[in-house]
Amino acid sequence: EAGVAQSPRYKIIEKRQSVAFWCNPISGHATLYWYQQILGQGPKLLIQFQNNGVVDDSQLPKDRFSAERLKGVDSTLKIQPAKLEDSAVYLCASSPPITWTEAFFGQGTRLTVV
Amino acid sequence: GDSVTQMEGPVTLSEEAFLTINCTYTATGYPSLFWYVQYPGEGLQLLLKATKADDKGSNKGFEATYRKETTSFHLEKGSVQVSDSAVYFCALSSTGNQFYFGTGTSLTVIP
Repeated sequence: EAGVAQSPRYKIIEKRQSVAFWCNPISGHATLYWYQQILGQGPKLLIQFQNNGVVDDSQLPKDRFSAERLKGVDSTLKIQPAKLEDSAVYLCASSPPITWTEAFFGQGTRLTVV
Repeated sequence: GDSVTQMEGPVTLSEEAFLTINCTYTATGYPSLFWYVQYPGEGLQLLLKATKADDKGSNKGFEATYRKETTSFHLEKGSVQVSDSAVYFCALSSTGNQFYFGTGTSLTVIP
């Protein structure tokens, strides 16, 4: 089966610019996650969707970050305006509608803000 | 809240050495436990998992046992290879499929 698809793989932008990342989860996976992974750290959850509803966005910096999941499938994460400290890898993951199953990760988008 | 604490790295071992990476967790209820591996430039891949107490997860020679009494899920491998060089993350999944990750342990295996 196809895995979680993310694009782009790499992005370099200047601070105060905007950027968007796209994620296509595994077919049939109701739950979709966006994580931020700063170099040398573990993934930090930004937002979790269940179908197209938000389950948890408590760690999403809502003044600059936004995310949507239209029709309960694809998702887009946007940063506007970007700051230097947003440089990180943004990982998308999905999981099936089964309790306590694993999450499946995409390859991530490496964002560098200069 | 739920959390995972894992051994700080980096860890450097010679090929065929024994590996242990410690992981302890704090959770309300009965979480599932996971080890993920991340190779350079890649996303996280599931290495093994255990869904209830005393379960042993195993894959590619790696093993970890879900110990409820010590709230631990230590990763072990009897003989590491150069190809095992990667970053290893311990994680738990609680109610609502919310995942919590440790900070990662970098492993380098030298020939």
